[in-house]
Amino acid sequence: DAGVTQSPTHLIKTRGQQVTLRCSPKSGHDTVSWYQQALGQGPQFIFQYYEEEERQRGNFPDRFSGHQFPNYSSELNVNALLLGDSALYLCASSPRGQGSGANVLTFGAGSRLTVL
Amino acid sequence: AQSVTQPDIHITVSEGASLELRCNYSYGATPYLFWYVQSPGQGLQLLLKYFSGDTLVQGIKGFEAEFKRSQSSFNLRKPSVHWSDAAEYFCAVANTGGFKTIFGAGTRLFVKA
Repeated sequence: DAGVTQSPTHLIKTRGQQVTLRCSPKSGHDTVSWYQQALGQGPQFIFQYYEEEERQRGNFPDRFSGHQFPNYSSELNVNALLLGDSALYLCASSPRGQGSGANVLTFGAGSRLTVL
Repeated sequence: AQSVTQPDIHITVSEGASLELRCNYSYGATPYLFWYVQSPGQGLQLLLKYFSGDTLVQGIKGFEAEFKRSQSSFNLRKPSVHWSDAAEYFCAVANTGGFKTIFGAGTRLFVKA
């Protein structure tokens, strides 16, 4: 059973460019959350997608946007890249339902973005 | 607002020694609490979770954690550390709606022979 898969694993962009990161959730999971982890810090919540809609958002500017597809996979888009956007971007999926189990996150290995 | 504090940026323990990693949280209601571990270049793996009931919870790899409401703490413990436990450990809190999980800054564990 494949877990959460993310692509690409590494990428380098220059300031002002745009980037798209992709995530396939674990089988049986329908909710996808995105996190930004800067070097030496804990993951910071960007947003969560459920039923193809953004359900909640963290303190990130509108340059950060996302999408969820009918097969539950998701994309994270970042426009007008800044040097400070360099980080590990983590995708996490969680299972169906509204009970306590819905809070248990399964993480992918992340996409390492470097902005020059 | 929810928040998580991990007071220790890094801890060094000898192999075979006991371990305790501290975590304090701020949350208005009964929280869902978690410990995750991250090895270099990897995503996060769930060690254990607390939702309700028994305040001492057991996890994988011999880890346990105790929820203390009066102290707003959820400290992680292991009686005997192995070299393979060297990693970054994150405490996290989630609301009961399940929409958002907040992570602490992490504690880096070093294990010396």
